[in-house]
Amino acid sequence: DGGITQSPKYLFRKEGQNVTLSCEQNLNHDAMYWYRQDPGQGLRLIYYSQIVNDFQKGDIAEGYSVSREKKESFPLTVTSAQKNPTAFYLCASSNSRGQGYYGYTFGSGTRLTVV
Amino acid sequence: DQQVKQNSPSLSVQEGRISILNCDYTNSMFDYFLWYKKYPAEGPTFLISISSIKDKNEDGRFTVFLNKSAKHLSLHIVPSQPGDSAVYFCAASVSGGSNYKLTFGKGTLLTVNP
Repeated sequence: DGGITQSPKYLFRKEGQNVTLSCEQNLNHDAMYWYRQDPGQGLRLIYYSQIVNDFQKGDIAEGYSVSREKKESFPLTVTSAQKNPTAFYLCASSNSRGQGYYGYTFGSGTRLTVV
Repeated sequence: DQQVKQNSPSLSVQEGRISILNCDYTNSMFDYFLWYKKYPAEGPTFLISISSIKDKNEDGRFTVFLNKSAKHLSLHIVPSQPGDSAVYFCAASVSGGSNYKLTFGKGTLLTVNP
C-alpha cells in the first residue's frame, strides 16, 4: 500500500540538542510539506518542497531546516534555535495538478517533547 | 492575516442530528476547497472536496456547500455519529498554478454525544 511514513511517533529532546524527524513517501508525489500543530493554532506550515533539491520556507521556518535529496524523503531538523519546539509535527505530500489534484496525504505525525 | 477562517473552535451535537461546520475565506483566488478530519495524535485524513465550478458535493453522510459570493463553505454531516467526533479542518487552494499549497483554517472540534 502506498503511503507516507513518519518516524519516530514520539521523540524527546534535551534543550540545546538538534533532532531530525523522518518523513518518507512511496506515493510518487512531487511535493512534500511539514506542518506543526499546537493547541488552538491549527496547522502552521514550516517548509515545503515542490521538487527534489528545492524547498521554500513556510510561515514559521525559523529554527528549522530541511533537505530534499530524494523524491521520497523530506526530513525536518529541529535545531536548538527553535525556542518552543514541543509540538505535534505533521508531514504531507501531494501530486501535481496536471495529474489531478486531491489535496494532501498526511503522515501519522511525530510528537516532539523537550525535556 | 488569516485567509481561511473557522470561527467556531468547537461544536457539540446529539447523535442522529445534523452537524454543520462553517468556513469563511478572504482570498477570491481560491477555487478548490477541502475538508479534513483529524483524530488526536493522528494525521488528518481527506474527507470531501469541492471545486468552485460547483456549489454542492455529496459523499454519503457528508455534503459540502459552497457560496462563492459570500466566500463561505459549510460541511453538513447527517446523521451525526459518535465516531464523527474529531477536529475538522477546512482548506483552500488556487488551481492552475505551480504552487500546490493548501491554506488551512484553525479547525473546529466536533463532539457528537450518544
